[in-house]
Amino acid sequence: DAGVTQSPTHLIKTRGQQVTLRCSPKSGHDTVSWYQQALGQGPQFIFQYYEEEERQRGNFPDRFSGHQFPNYSSELNVNALLLGDSALYLCASRAVRGGGSSYEQYFGPGTRLTVT
Amino acid sequence: EDQVTQSPEALRLQEGESSSLNCSYTVSGLRGLFWYRQDPGKGPEFLFTLYSAGEEKEKERLKATLTKKESFLHITAPKPEDSATYLCAVQGTGTASKLTFGTGTRLQVTL
Repeated sequence: DAGVTQSPTHLIKTRGQQVTLRCSPKSGHDTVSWYQQALGQGPQFIFQYYEEEERQRGNFPDRFSGHQFPNYSSELNVNALLLGDSALYLCASRAVRGGGSSYEQYFGPGTRLTVT
Repeated sequence: EDQVTQSPEALRLQEGESSSLNCSYTVSGLRGLFWYRQDPGKGPEFLFTLYSAGEEKEKERLKATLTKKESFLHITAPKPEDSATYLCAVQGTGTASKLTFGTGTRLQVTL
């Protein structure tokens, strides 16, 4: 049973550049959420995608955008990178259709983004 | 706004020395409380979901309990491999998938 996968593992970018991170959900899952985790902090919710639409958004600026594809995989795009965007970016998935009353979310290994 | 506070920030135990981690929360309608384990540089690993006060769940040396205001993660006779950061998160009934996390408890178990 394939778990949540993310790519790339690590990424180094320069201030002002743009970055795209990718996520494939766990088999059978149809909903993807993205989180940002700064060092020593808990993950912070960025947004959630379901049925190829952004359904809910956290307190992040419009520089953060995303997309979900028909196969449920997802991308996170960050424009005009700032030093403060350096963090571990996590993708989490769960099943809405067929998930019953379970709200369990499973996380991928993350992408470590460093902005210099 | 949903809030989660975890204590202590860090905990050092000797192998076999049992203890508890605390997670206090405020949420306008609890859909679920979640415990995760996170190793350095890796993604959180799902442990438990608790849905209502009085509920308890166990897995190996871990037991999670829930009241209306807090949750405890009890660790019985821990081993060095239990060393990790333990994260608590809540999901409110007004959200589709958003989890609000605490800052975690860093647990170190020594021989």
